[in-house]
Amino acid sequence: SQTIHQWPATLVQPVGSPLSLECTVEGTSNPNLYWYRQAAGRGLQLLFYSVGIGQISSEVPQNLSASRPQDRQFILSSKKLLLSDSGFYLCAWSSERNYGYTFGSGTRLTVV
Amino acid sequence: GNSVTQMEGPVTLSEEAFLTINCTYTATGYPSLFWYVQYPGEGLQLLLKATKADDKGSNKGFEATYRKETTSFHLEKGSVQVSDSAVYFCALRGYSTLTFGKGTMLLVSP
Repeated sequence: SQTIHQWPATLVQPVGSPLSLECTVEGTSNPNLYWYRQAAGRGLQLLFYSVGIGQISSEVPQNLSASRPQDRQFILSSKKLLLSDSGFYLCAWSSERNYGYTFGSGTRLTVV
Repeated sequence: GNSVTQMEGPVTLSEEAFLTINCTYTATGYPSLFWYVQYPGEGLQLLLKATKADDKGSNKGFEATYRKETTSFHLEKGSVQVSDSAVYFCALRGYSTLTFGKGTMLLVSP
């Protein structure tokens, strides 16, 4: 069966520090991968999605970036965090057979 | 572009009450529609889905019918439980990505 792993679960980082969040999927090949952010009291905002290795689409201009170095690995990064980057970050995957998305358990990021 | 509108929350109900959470959408083509649920501190879980007009998705006592004529996908449950307290997201999938509504918090008291 397919599983998605996301870590860390919680993270507290100072303003200006770098960020790296990792997401991996097991049990499937060539998944579509997504990063969403959920700010407090707000809905879900699509940040990036990828349909293959090295293929990244950015939905919202910001100081975040994403990379997909391997088929089932998706990384969200920042060189310098802002206070406004605080939120709940969710990774998800989908395929043609799994038409809906399957989400990871999320990372709670607090920038202080 | 695609968009999803959900009723504002929180929705506060007593146990065993009837639940309706309204969801309407705007989309080109024939999107698939979804309801996701998010329990406190957790990621999103797919609750139910419908892929074409007049389809009814159902799971765990929840139901929603894809109404193309009214562009709606309202979530219903006949008798809610305290354990149903969560945030519910309506979503649609067009060509490639999911578009979510802002979510509706449901609070069920004993």
